[in-house]
Amino acid sequence: DSGVTQTPKHLITATGQRVTLRCSPRSGDLSVYWYQQSLDQGLQFLIQYYNGEERAKGNILERFSAQQFPDLHSELNLSSLELGDSALYFCASSVDLEGFYGYTFGSGTRLTVV
Amino acid sequence: GQQVMQIPQYQHVQEGEDFTTYCNSSTTLSNIQWYKQRPGGHPVFLIQLVKSGEVKKQKRLTFQFGEAKKNSSLHITATQTTDVGTYFCAGARSSARQLTFGSGTQLTVLP
Repeated sequence: DSGVTQTPKHLITATGQRVTLRCSPRSGDLSVYWYQQSLDQGLQFLIQYYNGEERAKGNILERFSAQQFPDLHSELNLSSLELGDSALYFCASSVDLEGFYGYTFGSGTRLTVV
Repeated sequence: GQQVMQIPQYQHVQEGEDFTTYCNSSTTLSNIQWYKQRPGGHPVFLIQLVKSGEVKKQKRLTFQFGEAKKNSSLHITATQTTDVGTYFCAGARSSARQLTFGSGTQLTVLP
């Protein structure tokens, strides 16, 4: 157990639907990052929050949005889902803004769009 | 934007052979981190290098950061089946808030 909790672990949904992925960071960590990993692909950075505020955006589609709540948990919302959105979505957390001491990753949510 | 290239993409070795993966950045990095992702698992932080020319060892793993702080390598001596997985480097720039991950090297160790 890394200390970062992601739910659900698996999600199967139809095209056009909307889903919400949830992440609770490791205790004490203020930064939350979302990454997308497609089959046999690398880690694509989506978005970062630090202490409730959005701090950096990567290759996140307009159909995707995220937020970090006062208790520091984060949610990633994916809407108008397409087949190509099928991937493993990781949440990671770090104690600082820059991730200088490393990221702690959750076990991921595997999203399958059918 | 910043790019971090990693080679090779795949590597098959016989158990007991050595393995090296290389990471190159298009820009100077403030630090570089290495992660390992086991099949079906999530990336796990291995180590961070900060200083130019820095070398760190973890048992059979040796990590190097280039003098120009634009490249890095991970060398595994005498691979074991437990070394199987994908190794990612991740570079940080002083001006950026998040790491840029390399594409990873998928290591297969044949018994």
